[in-house]
Amino acid sequence: AQTVTQSQPEMSVQEAETVTLSCTYDTSENNYYLFWYKQPPSRQMILVIRQEAYKQQNATENRFSVNFQKAAKSFSLKISDSQLGDTAMYFCAFVIIQGAQKLVFGQGTRLTINP
Amino acid sequence: EPEVTQTPSHQVTQMGQEVILRCVPISNHLYFYWYRQILGQKVEFLVSFYNNEISEKSEIFDDQFSVERPDGSNFTLKIRSTKLEDSAMYFCASIGQLYEQYFGPGTRLTVT
Repeated sequence: AQTVTQSQPEMSVQEAETVTLSCTYDTSENNYYLFWYKQPPSRQMILVIRQEAYKQQNATENRFSVNFQKAAKSFSLKISDSQLGDTAMYFCAFVIIQGAQKLVFGQGTRLTINP
Repeated sequence: EPEVTQTPSHQVTQMGQEVILRCVPISNHLYFYWYRQILGQKVEFLVSFYNNEISEKSEIFDDQFSVERPDGSNFTLKIRSTKLEDSAMYFCASIGQLYEQYFGPGTRLTVT
């Protein structure tokens, strides 16, 4: 079975702090991509960051970076210098690079940045 | 920047009625998807569409659901006879070159 587990239903930090959101996944496939999506109150799904499973180097995108541990099937998201606009639901997901290439999502982490 | 669009943004319908949700994927994308998100829950895959046919569908996508690409741009999801439990946000998505999926803004379906 292909699953994604986000063990933190909710998190809350102060503005400018660093926060790490956890994600583990399970698949028997070897070729896949991992993603973090942000869903603000508008409910739009916004791509935050992408990681190719074949790359050992962790992806970074401005204040967002990941810690990808392929053997442990772990894919955490670190947000540095958090801003009020980072308040949102964050979903971890992966796609297998064959077949229908559908996204498999976790349950999400509700992140609140406090002023 | 190209984007996925969806109409309507909000649809209210009565139980048993048919609804059609519309999407315009990004023009040079080849795979199209519908996902569903019941309020407060995770995003769930419904169906994928490639080369004018369904490539995969989930258990949720039963005989009440159908998809169509009637022309070169639109991609529709039809629910034949809506049930209360169909109330959800429905997202259309299309896939880019690096396997990232671009989502539309969603259609909020309310079945009363």
